Amino acid sequence: GAGVSQSPSNKVTEKGKDVELRCDPISGHTALYWYRQSLGQGLEFLIYFQGNSAPDKSGLPSDRFSAERTGGSVSTLTIQRTQQEDSAVYLCASSLGVAGRETQYFGPGTRLLVL
Amino acid sequence: GESVGLHLPTLSVQEGDNSIINCAYSNSASDYFIWYKQESGKGPQFIIDIRSNMDKRQGQRVTVLLNKTVKHLSLQIAATQPGDSAVYFCAEIYYNQGGKLIFGQGTELSVKP
Repeated sequence: GAGVSQSPSNKVTEKGKDVELRCDPISGHTALYWYRQSLGQGLEFLIYFQGNSAPDKSGLPSDRFSAERTGGSVSTLTIQRTQQEDSAVYLCASSLGVAGRETQYFGPGTRLLVL
Repeated sequence: GESVGLHLPTLSVQEGDNSIINCAYSNSASDYFIWYKQESGKGPQFIIDIRSNMDKRQGQRVTVLLNKTVKHLSLQIAATQPGDSAVYFCAEIYYNQGGKLIFGQGTELSVKP
């Protein structure tokens, strides 16, 4: 498949546990984005990576959230000490070139439920 | 603060009719706008985009109109089909803030057969 893939598709965890969410962007896409979508809501920007530049972390809601992008490809979003309000769908997107000038293609998302 | 919002949360249309989904934005610095379609359980799917130097762009059965004077964006779907039922989001990109999309709340389109 040539699309953005995410894993796991669903994750149920207990409050206080750490979780890692993975995103595999489309091959060759230099820009990668993470968004969060709460139930019945729009998408909220979290963080984006563009090539080798420092990531834009301005959307991360707290210091419990962090993300890495290794080798300019795969990205992992980590949520430490999860809280119930972290329950949402976490969506990853990638785009081909300079951020803001290319269409962002989304993966299917990871549905996180914190009990 | 800056935001992108939609006028109607739900829209119900008859199959075969045309649909119009509206969106208001507040940041005059935005220079790129996108419409996404999201079906239940899936990620948003790109429909059509428009740059701020245009006021209309057409795709297959879809047309996006941009009115910068009143900061209004609309998506027109011709001959709406049951497969068009989904939530539609408009999004904007601020030129000087990289590629992060600012999304509206979404409009749920329901097509009645």
